[in-house]
Amino acid sequence: KQEVTQIPAALSVPEGENLVLNCSFTDSAIYNLQWFRQDPGKGLTSLLLIQSSQREQTSGRLNASLDKSSGRSTLYIAASQPGDSATYLCALSRRYQLTFGKGTKLSVIP
Amino acid sequence: GAGVSQSPSNKVTEKGKDVELRCDPISGHTALYWYRQSLGQGLEFLIYFQGNSAPDKSGLPSDRFSAERTGGSVSTLTIQRTQQEDSAVYLCASSSSTGGSILATDTQYFGPGTRLTVL
Repeated sequence: KQEVTQIPAALSVPEGENLVLNCSFTDSAIYNLQWFRQDPGKGLTSLLLIQSSQREQTSGRLNASLDKSSGRSTLYIAASQPGDSATYLCALSRRYQLTFGKGTKLSVIP
Repeated sequence: GAGVSQSPSNKVTEKGKDVELRCDPISGHTALYWYRQSLGQGLEFLIYFQGNSAPDKSGLPSDRFSAERTGGSVSTLTIQRTQQEDSAVYLCASSSSTGGSILATDTQYFGPGTRLTVL
């Protein structure tokens, strides 16, 4: 059974700082890995999707990497802003079913 | 275009009552998914629809839970004889995945969820 772990559970940083969120998983037989953002009272917003054959994806200030051999993914956020404050979830897909970590709650302090 | 919508946004019910949660997927999306997010827990998969068929119901926690989808569009998740442990946020997602290929990797788009509280 796939297990997904996200560390840290919560993170507080000053505005402008670069940061890294970590995701580890136990089963490397995945099809893709997605990073989502969840704002309070709202649904999930997909940020980046990395196919199993890829090693990284970039979108604006976000960069996600995938290392299947070590069972790890990272989400790098450059020049953090208060609007980045949210819970970030990583999810691994095996076909259609997503298995989620419990998330990292990020607070960016102005 | 409109995203995934869910109704109601909040539902408070008494233990033992039945509830129905509704999901309207993005128009044209053939795949629909239900997930549950309990306090302190991660999101857990409940059920997957491809068209009106549910090839995977493995995540439904008990036989009190059922779901259907009609017209390849709207889906309803029904919980019978609700229990306090059913309290959670129920999220629906849709994607354009046809499910026919093991490499189907389309992004799932999530609705805002229904917060269910069982008293």
